[in-house]
Amino acid sequence: QKEVEQNSGPLSVPEGAIASLNCTYSDRGSQSFFWYRQYSGKSPELIMFIYSNGDKEDGRFTAQLNKASQYVSLLIRDSQPSDSATYLCAVPAPLSYQLTFGKGTKLSVIP
Amino acid sequence: EAEVAQSPRYKITEKSQAVAFWCDPISGHATLYWYRQILGQGPELLVQFQDESVVDDSQLPKDRFSAERLKGVDSTLKIQPAELGDSAMYLCASSLASTGELFFGEGSRLTVL
Repeated sequence: QKEVEQNSGPLSVPEGAIASLNCTYSDRGSQSFFWYRQYSGKSPELIMFIYSNGDKEDGRFTAQLNKASQYVSLLIRDSQPSDSATYLCAVPAPLSYQLTFGKGTKLSVIP
Repeated sequence: EAEVAQSPRYKITEKSQAVAFWCDPISGHATLYWYRQILGQGPELLVQFQDESVVDDSQLPKDRFSAERLKGVDSTLKIQPAELGDSAMYLCASSLASTGELFFGEGSRLTVL
């Protein structure tokens, strides 16, 4: 059974700070990792994905992957109140690409 | 902008009643998923379709849930009879290819009384 673990939070950071969201996964064969953002009462939307070890940057968002440690993280620089949401880590199955989601980390950015 | 359409947005029903949800994926998206999300949890896959065929329904409680995508386009998820524990958000998602990039509809929130 593929497992994806996230700290449910809530994680509170002041506006302008760096928010760090973490995710661990159980399947060593996992090759790609996805971060979805879900505002309260809304559906998830994809914000980033990463395939290779190291960092991937997209605007204020940076995804970091360490396959040896089975650890993926999402950094949000210059956090804004509009970033307040639940962030879901998702890992696809090798062939079907069915996503297994973590429980999500709720982020609150305090003005 | 193309969107995944779902209806109804909200459904309140009494236990033992039947309920149905409808989903119309983004045009051209061959893969369609139904997920269930309980408050405070991540989405859990119920069923995956590739065109009109079921790829995986291993997590679908088949004694009460059914799903179909007869013409390989829109899809219906049915629950009969509904139970209190079925109260959740039912999310439909589609994807163009097997990439992990899912496009979700707004969801159908079910409350079973």
